[in-house]
Amino acid sequence: DAGVIQSPRHEVTEMGQEVTLRCKPISGHNSLFWYRQTMMRGLELLIYFNNNVPIDDSGMPEDRFSAKMPNASFSTLKIQPSEPRDSAVYFCASSLYSGTNTGELFFGEGSRLTVL
Amino acid sequence: KQEVTQIPAALSVPEGENLVLNCSFTDSAIYNLQWFRQDPGKGLTSLLLIQSSQREQTSGRLNASLDKSSGRSTLYIAASQPGDSATYLCAVVGDQGGSEKLVFGKGTKLTVNP
Repeated sequence: DAGVIQSPRHEVTEMGQEVTLRCKPISGHNSLFWYRQTMMRGLELLIYFNNNVPIDDSGMPEDRFSAKMPNASFSTLKIQPSEPRDSAVYFCASSLYSGTNTGELFFGEGSRLTVL
Repeated sequence: KQEVTQIPAALSVPEGENLVLNCSFTDSAIYNLQWFRQDPGKGLTSLLLIQSSQREQTSGRLNASLDKSSGRSTLYIAASQPGDSATYLCAVVGDQGGSEKLVFGKGTKLTVNP
């Protein structure tokens, strides 16, 4: 398996522009997570899905952030409009939820976003 | 609210030394605990996962222990090598009836000097 695949790896954009980050989870995994990592705050969970359904989006910082999972093999995280404080590395991760709780978590390589 | 703390934030050791990384968590009601490694500019790689009913897990030169009642876990690295240089993070999953949220510590940056 190729692992969790994220794109783009790097994105530089100007304030106010729309940013879309993409993620392909590991085949067969039924839980997908979006995290944001910064030096100041470490890793923060933004949202997670179980069987394509958003379970908890309480970590999404503002209405400018939205995430979708239209099918089991694809998810997007969108920021519109983007702001400089959104600059961070965004990670997607997936796992196999067993019915009681999450299993081992596998991460993508991340998307490094810089908003000028 | 669960909080995970890793001390020290950074550690530098000579090659060949055995070392211990520490992780503590405030709420002992956890489902499992995972140790991850992160190389610069890369994603996180899972090293070991310990279920709440387990006391330790081993993989090669790595051994992770869990003391749930005291809210502590340690990652022991034997005979450290320069290739072990990375940031090590621990994360816990709460035992909250199906909660899947991992709460991460901020990591310990390990440097192994040749």
